[in-house]
Amino acid sequence: DGGITQSPKYLFRKEGQNVTLSCEQNLNHDAMYWYRQDPGQGLRLIYYSQIVNDFQKGDIAEGYSVSREKKESFPLTVTSAQKNPTAFYLCASSIRGVNTEAFFGQGTRLTVV
Amino acid sequence: AQKVTQAQTEISVVEKEDVTLDCVYETRDTTYYLFWYKQPPSGELVFLIRRNSFDEQNEISGRYSWNFQKSTSSFNFTITASQVVDSAVYFCALKGGANSKLTFGKGITLSVRP
Repeated sequence: DGGITQSPKYLFRKEGQNVTLSCEQNLNHDAMYWYRQDPGQGLRLIYYSQIVNDFQKGDIAEGYSVSREKKESFPLTVTSAQKNPTAFYLCASSIRGVNTEAFFGQGTRLTVV
Repeated sequence: AQKVTQAQTEISVVEKEDVTLDCVYETRDTTYYLFWYKQPPSGELVFLIRRNSFDEQNEISGRYSWNFQKSTSSFNFTITASQVVDSAVYFCALKGGANSKLTFGKGITLSVRP
């Protein structure tokens, strides 16, 4: 089946540790996105990429890093510099271009203790 | 800069009532697209509709309808004869610009009571 796979679904980490969230898609999409969802805040864009080896900061990129070495993969690292990392993280992908809808993974709920 | 405002945060209706979810957007782009997504309790966002900035025709799909008005920068979503299964968080989104940045509103939590 084609789709977007985020793993793991639930992730627990100790404060001060970096953690990497996985996002893989087999839809052959060029564009990929990472969003953070907090109660009452909606979806806020962290990073996005339109093509391999290129990515742009979104609205809340501080404390996060990404890489886009392969078309199908867009991992997100939550670093120790992120002050409040506990949240629900959603990955999405789309065909490149302004007229295309994004498809979403099932999300990863990160809890930092 | 792009911005999407969903002023309503929570709406509660009784089954079979009609309900309208409001969306207002801001953008400097002349070409852009607007979207609505549904997020059920499972968490995954489901795409509902896409509308481009040059097409102001209203659209109806079953019990769902959308009203796009460029003059007021609004793209409102109406559910007719709501059902319990419509209970979810609904997001309005805007995509535009050279890098196709996709910006979401804060979402509206809709609860439909039997």
